Amino acid sequence: DAKTTQPNSMESNEEEPVHLPCNHSTISGTDYIHWYRQLPSQGPEYVIHGLTSNVNNRMASLAIAEDRKSSTLILHRATLRDAAVYYCILYNNDMRFGAGTRLTVKP
Amino acid sequence: EAGVAQSPRYKIIEKRQSVAFWCNPISGHATLYWYQQILGQGPKLLIQFQNNGVVDDSQLPKDRFSAERLKGVDSTLKIQPAKLEDSAVYLCASSLGPRLYGYTFGSGTRLTVV
Repeated sequence: DAKTTQPNSMESNEEEPVHLPCNHSTISGTDYIHWYRQLPSQGPEYVIHGLTSNVNNRMASLAIAEDRKSSTLILHRATLRDAAVYYCILYNNDMRFGAGTRLTVKP
Repeated sequence: EAGVAQSPRYKIIEKRQSVAFWCNPISGHATLYWYQQILGQGPKLLIQFQNNGVVDDSQLPKDRFSAERLKGVDSTLKIQPAKLEDSAVYLCASSLGPRLYGYTFGSGTRLTVV
C-alpha cells in the first residue's frame, strides 16, 4: 500500500496562512491525493482532493508537486476553528488513514 | 442533504457482552465503510460495502466482529463478545464515488468496554 508521511504536529497563528506538507514518494499513477481533517469529538471531514493539478475550494488549496511525490494543503487564513488533525491519504480503491498532523492555532 | 447518521452516540458495556452499532448513510450513496478509531490514532478500515455486498473485510476481526448491510442502505456492526481493547470510536462513512467525491463520515459511536 502506498504510504504518506506527515509531521506529527504544527502550530500557526490566527489569520496567518498555514502550509501542511505531505510526502508520498511511492504514489502510483492512479492514486488520488485526499485531505481530511478531524475536529475534536467528530468524524473526519473531507477537505480537498486532487490527482495531478493544483486544486482550490472554499476550504483550502492543494498544491501537488510536479512529480506527485509530495503535496501541500494550504489554509489561506487560519482560524481557531481550523485546529484539528489533518490527514493526507492516497486513495486507490480504499482510504487508509495514518496518524495525521495535529494543527494548533494560536490567537 | 442529511449527513451520515449513527447511533448510539455512546455505549458502555462490560467485557464479554455484545454490542451493535447502526449506520444510516446518505441517500444514494452505494459505498459504505466502517472504521475503528482508537484514541490517539487515525481511523482504521474494518469493512467496505458496495451496495449490500462486501468489497473488503480483510481487517475485520471475524471471530468477534460482524457487519451487514441489508437492502444496500442501513448497516449494523456487531461485536460479540467484546474485549477491553475494543474500546474505541466506531465511525461509519458513505460515498457517492470515493475517487471523485470523497467520503462523508458520521460522528461515530464511542464504545467503552469495562
